Amino acid sequence: EAQVTQNPRYLITVTGKKLTVTCSQNMNHEYMSWYRQDPGLGLRQIYYSMNVEVTDKGDVPEGYKVSRKEKRNFPLILESPSPNQTSLYFCASSRLFSTSGSSGAQYFGPGTRLTVL
Amino acid sequence: QQQVKQSPQSLIVQKGGISIINCAYENTAFDYFPWYQQFPGKGPALLIAIRPDVSEKKEGRFTISFNKSAKQFSLHIMDSQPGDSATYFCAASMGSGGSNYKLTFGKGTLLTVNP
Repeated sequence: EAQVTQNPRYLITVTGKKLTVTCSQNMNHEYMSWYRQDPGLGLRQIYYSMNVEVTDKGDVPEGYKVSRKEKRNFPLILESPSPNQTSLYFCASSRLFSTSGSSGAQYFGPGTRLTVL
Repeated sequence: QQQVKQSPQSLIVQKGGISIINCAYENTAFDYFPWYQQFPGKGPALLIAIRPDVSEKKEGRFTISFNKSAKQFSLHIMDSQPGDSATYFCAASMGSGGSNYKLTFGKGTLLTVNP
């Protein structure tokens, strides 16, 4: 089954304790991205990657790091989490190019709900 | 700077009615306009998408209307059903060669369809 998986699904941590949220896709997609979803703010992009070893900042990258060492994996790293990073995080993947308006969808993972105390 | 403005924030519709959600964008370089549907506890999923070379796209009960000159696009859900109750996000992206990455999302509309 084609899917994007994220782990953990739920995480409660304390300020300053480094954490990693893993993301993996089995669709051989070039493009992967991390978003955070906050009430009233919608989905905001944190970082994205267009291929292995190619990453770039999205709209809200402060306090986050990513790496893309393998095509299928795109972990999100919070070196020193703070309470303002409490949020619902989504990983997504897609093909880099599509040839019609109905293809090339971004496939989202199930989300990781992070609480930083 | 919010590049995609979505309205309304919430919408309540009776079963069988028409749900309409509107979005406006600012960047004329956007060339791909998808709508995503998100159920509680799930990630967003692509519902329907349009490119600016057409003014309307219909898939079942879902229709996107696109007005390039006004820089607006909307989602119409005909014969709305309680199972359509979800949060809907419009989005936009730009790129060459049909690329659809780097989506910019609207803030979402919570749709409730009453039975």
